[in-house]
Amino acid sequence: ETGVTQSPTHLIKTRGQQVTLRCSSQSGHNTVSWYQQALGQGPQFIFQYYREEENGRGNFPPRFSGLQFPNYSSELNVNALELDDSALYLCASSPEGGGYGYTFGSGTRLTVV
Amino acid sequence: SQQGEEDPQALSIQEGENATMNCSYKTSINNLQWYRQNSGRGLVHLILIRSNEREKHSGRLRVTLDTSKKSSSLLITASRAADTASYFCATAQGGSEKLVFGKGTKLTVNP
Repeated sequence: ETGVTQSPTHLIKTRGQQVTLRCSSQSGHNTVSWYQQALGQGPQFIFQYYREEENGRGNFPPRFSGLQFPNYSSELNVNALELDDSALYLCASSPEGGGYGYTFGSGTRLTVV
Repeated sequence: SQQGEEDPQALSIQEGENATMNCSYKTSINNLQWYRQNSGRGLVHLILIRSNEREKHSGRLRVTLDTSKKSSSLLITASRAADTASYFCATAQGGSEKLVFGKGTKLTVNP
């Protein structure tokens, strides 16, 4: 079975630009969550998608938006990038909501300059 | 905001020794999970303990949960150099089972 794959692995953007990060969930998983991890910190929950619907959102502004597709892959979009958006973005998938633990991807390292 | 707090923040031991990490949290939970992260990359799920369980084992890992004290501990027995990593506890909350992480414990196992 394949794990969670994220693309790209690294990205450099300029303040004010927009970025799209992609995630393919593990086979059989219909729940995808996104996390932001700043250097030296634990991951922070951005939002979760379950069967293409948003199913919970953390304390992030509306310029962070997402999408889940019928094949359960997902995108994270961030508009009007700020320097503080520089972080590791992690995607995690789970079967039916997460009560079984999550499988994480290797992350996308975003640097905003 | 971070809810879980791991203790200690950093731990350095010799190969073969046991490593114990503690985690405290603040609100009611569905379950508590421990993850390992190597060099700032993806997290690896280690073990999940449900709120009605008190202890769980998986290989060299032993996890305890005390919901009355809102705390958990992770014990790694007979540690190896390959166990060197950051370890995070995460509490699963709410209907979405979103994970709330602590800041982690950085474990170094010296050969």
